[in-house]
Amino acid sequence: DIQMTQSPSSVSVSVGDRVTITCRASQGISTWLAWYQQKPGKAPKLLINVASTLQSGVPSRFSGSGSGTDFTLTISSLQPEDSATYYCQQADSFPLTFGGGTKVEIK
Amino acid sequence: EVQLVESGGGLVNPGGSLRLSCVASGFTFSTYTMNWVRQAPGKGLQWVSSISYSDSYIYYTDSVKGRFTVSRDNAKNSLFLQMNSLRPEDTAVYYCARDRLTLSAPGHAQFDYWGQGALVTVSS
Repeated sequence: DIQMTQSPSSVSVSVGDRVTITCRASQGISTWLAWYQQKPGKAPKLLINVASTLQSGVPSRFSGSGSGTDFTLTISSLQPEDSATYYCQQADSFPLTFGGGTKVEIK
Repeated sequence: EVQLVESGGGLVNPGGSLRLSCVASGFTFSTYTMNWVRQAPGKGLQWVSSISYSDSYIYYTDSVKGRFTVSRDNAKNSLFLQMNSLRPEDTAVYYCARDRLTLSAPGHAQFDYWGQGALVTVSS
């Protein structure tokens, strides 16, 4: 199975700050990576697919990069509504696996 | 508008069974791979199962193989998860989720629409 390791597990940042979340795959997955945002009590929301393609309707302050084993989700200027937990997911092979999540809190 | 609505969750004794349903609307259900993803209370996301649009391909996570069965009825825009021999560690919110690509094999599923979730609690 491909293990997905996210860091940090949590971060506290101010509105307007840049936030970077990393996700490392235990083996190469090309660009078969998705990023999701989940708010408490809600279903996850797809933000980025195939590592860097912004899903329709997602604000442009979100961006994704990377290929192979190392990936990054960046929020260029954090907004209050971005407070959530973020998950990466590899879509390279079964079983599909998620990272452990990164909780982003507003200072 | 794409909608996925799960039902069938509840409290069940260990060893019991439950059947989850997910009714889809707002898109051509028969052309999309569909998936089940679960989330234990306070924990992260875990993929459970995928079924291709024509149900030719079906996959499960190891921990549910032999106990869970995924199926679909394209005529009724419905996805199902039959869960047998339930264990306390199966306690979770179960989401149905759509693969973002149409007419594709399940192998690269990324989930663009999710249901609201159905809570399954396995406890005596």
